Amino acid sequence: NAGVTQTPKFQVLKTGQSMTLQCAQDMNHEYMSWYRQDPGMGLRLIHYSVGAGITDQGEVPNGYNVSRSTTEDFPLRLLSAAPSQTSVYFCASSPPLADTQYFGPGTRLTVL
Amino acid sequence: KNQVEQSPQSLIILEGKNCTLQCNYTVSPFSNLRWYKQDTGRGPVSLTIMTFSENTKSNGRYTATLDADTKQSSLHITASQLSDSASYICVVSAKEYGNKLVFGAGTILRVKS
Repeated sequence: NAGVTQTPKFQVLKTGQSMTLQCAQDMNHEYMSWYRQDPGMGLRLIHYSVGAGITDQGEVPNGYNVSRSTTEDFPLRLLSAAPSQTSVYFCASSPPLADTQYFGPGTRLTVL
Repeated sequence: KNQVEQSPQSLIILEGKNCTLQCNYTVSPFSNLRWYKQDTGRGPVSLTIMTFSENTKSNGRYTATLDADTKQSSLHITASQLSDSASYICVVSAKEYGNKLVFGAGTILRVKS
């Protein structure tokens, strides 16, 4: 199993550009989520999904969209990138009611 | 105020030495408390998870303790190795908010030879 994969690993955007961060998992996990990690702060939940076709907002959803058309994929879209979205983004997955989440390797995004 | 506070922010120790990382939380009631290890440039990986009724859990050279009365947890690393250099993150699952995870900012540990 590849586990949780994320692409790209690094990305530089200009203010106002849009892009999609990809996340995929091959463990048939129903629960998937997106976090951002900023220096000196804990990971913060952006959006999450409890299954295909179901998504919900987390703690910091503004400026981001998600969709979950399949169990495997959970892309995160930045609609109009802003410098405040410069961060490291992590995707995670877990089976329902499981205690442990499995994290991807992260995408480092810089918005100029 | 952050509901999960970790100390110290960073720590440097010599290889072979022991160390203890602290986590204080205000999240209440909680479902469980987890410790994750995050290597530089990687995602967090689970080390231990403890429920309210457990007060210690080990994973090799890592031992986590939990005092639910004082709302404190610690992660003790025995006989440190260079590969222990990483950020260690304390995470509390908030029962009141549907088991939402509240992350601490982490302690950065550097083990020197």
